[in-house]
Amino acid sequence: AQSVTQLDSQVPVFEEAPVELRCNYSSSVSVYLFWYVQYPNQGLQLLLKYLSGSTLVKGINGFEAEFNKSQTSFHLRKPSVHISDTAEYFCAVRPWNTDKLIFGTGTRLQVFP
Amino acid sequence: EPEVTQTPSHQVTQMGQEVILRCVPISNHLYFYWYRQILGQKVEFLVSFYNNEISEKSEIFDDQFSVERPDGSNFTLKIRSTKLEDSAMYFCASTGSNTGELFFGEGSRLTVL
Repeated sequence: AQSVTQLDSQVPVFEEAPVELRCNYSSSVSVYLFWYVQYPNQGLQLLLKYLSGSTLVKGINGFEAEFNKSQTSFHLRKPSVHISDTAEYFCAVRPWNTDKLIFGTGTRLQVFP
Repeated sequence: EPEVTQTPSHQVTQMGQEVILRCVPISNHLYFYWYRQILGQKVEFLVSFYNNEISEKSEIFDDQFSVERPDGSNFTLKIRSTKLEDSAMYFCASTGSNTGELFFGEGSRLTVL
């Protein structure tokens, strides 16, 4: 079975500060990894994904994430956040042999002026 | 930009009633999904649908649930006899390939009284 852990339910940060949202997963098979963002009253939007190749992936809105296979982590980072980055962020994995995404519980990023 | 649309945005129903949630996936997509998110909990996979049949379903997707693609554009989720615990946000998603980059709708909030 697979699981995704997002240890931080909330992350408060000031504008222009760097941020890291943590994601760890467990799986007995290879997985693809994703980060989705949910702005208030909207659906889930893909930020970035790791399928294969370079372990550092860049996404939209200046976000990036690094896949670390030995630590089974896929942490999301941004060097300087904006007020508009305030949203819920979900890490998700998809085992290679299945059709479904398995989500973490989400991290609420709150950016203060 | 093409998007997944869902109706209704919010539905309130009495326990035991049938509910149909509707989705219009992105037009050239081939894989369709339903997920749900109970308030305060993680997003959970319900079912995937490809080539006019269910390809995978979760334990949640019992006999009370069914999906249908009645025409070339709509994808519906039916709950035959709603229970209180069916109250959740239901997300439809679609993708053109099976690499897992899902495009989500804004969700349909179901409240069962």
